[in-house]
Amino acid sequence: EIVLTQSPGSLSLSPGERATLSCRASQSVSNTYIAWYQKKPGQAPRLLIYGAFSRATGIPDRFSGSGSGTDFTLTISRLEPEDFAVYYCQQYGGSMCNFGQGTKLEIK
Amino acid sequence: QVQLNQSGPGLVRPSQTLSVTCAISGDTVSSNSAAWNWIRQSPSGGLEWLGRTYYRSRFYTDYAVSVRGRMTINSDTSKNQFSLHLNSVTPEDTAVYYCTRAPLIEDSIWTWGWLDPWGQGTLVTVSS
Repeated sequence: EIVLTQSPGSLSLSPGERATLSCRASQSVSNTYIAWYQKKPGQAPRLLIYGAFSRATGIPDRFSGSGSGTDFTLTISRLEPEDFAVYYCQQYGGSMCNFGQGTKLEIK
Repeated sequence: QVQLNQSGPGLVRPSQTLSVTCAISGDTVSSNSAAWNWIRQSPSGGLEWLGRTYYRSRFYTDYAVSVRGRMTINSDTSKNQFSLHLNSVTPEDTAVYYCTRAPLIEDSIWTWGWLDPWGQGTLVTVSS
């Protein structure tokens, strides 16, 4: 089973700043089968990125994904007030799928 | 587009069975190109994948190790819905339960992809 470790656990930034969130896998993730989700209180998770790089439908281009092997990154280029939330990475493609523990992005 | 609508009781007694249903519109539970998943988020925790069902000539299921033996996913083609049943619940099963869809991304080896869309979530509290 692949274990995903996200860092940092929380991040305090101001609107307009750049956010860089990390997701490290315990072993290489085949075919870059990594997705990123945004989770706000009282709402269902929202798919942002799949295949490590591809933006989901309707996701603004300030969100981008990168990485390969065991290290993956979600970057938000210029934070908007609505971007402050918890972000999860997810590995898929196997007999099970796993999530990281999340990174909480807070307003500074 | 695909939409998922959840229903189920909000309170379950300890040792009883927790059941949540997810009604599908815009796709079918017997689609050959989708898997139907259950995820939960406990009050203090992150997202936990619980299991999936998918149809390839018959219905198959996969379960997370943490709930294997206690969890069953059933599919109802006449109502186009699937259901989670978790038995012998304890207060640790208190969570918001979500249903969600995963697309088939590799047909030859039945590989399932990212999770989208999601149901609205059902808060289930286990308490006496």
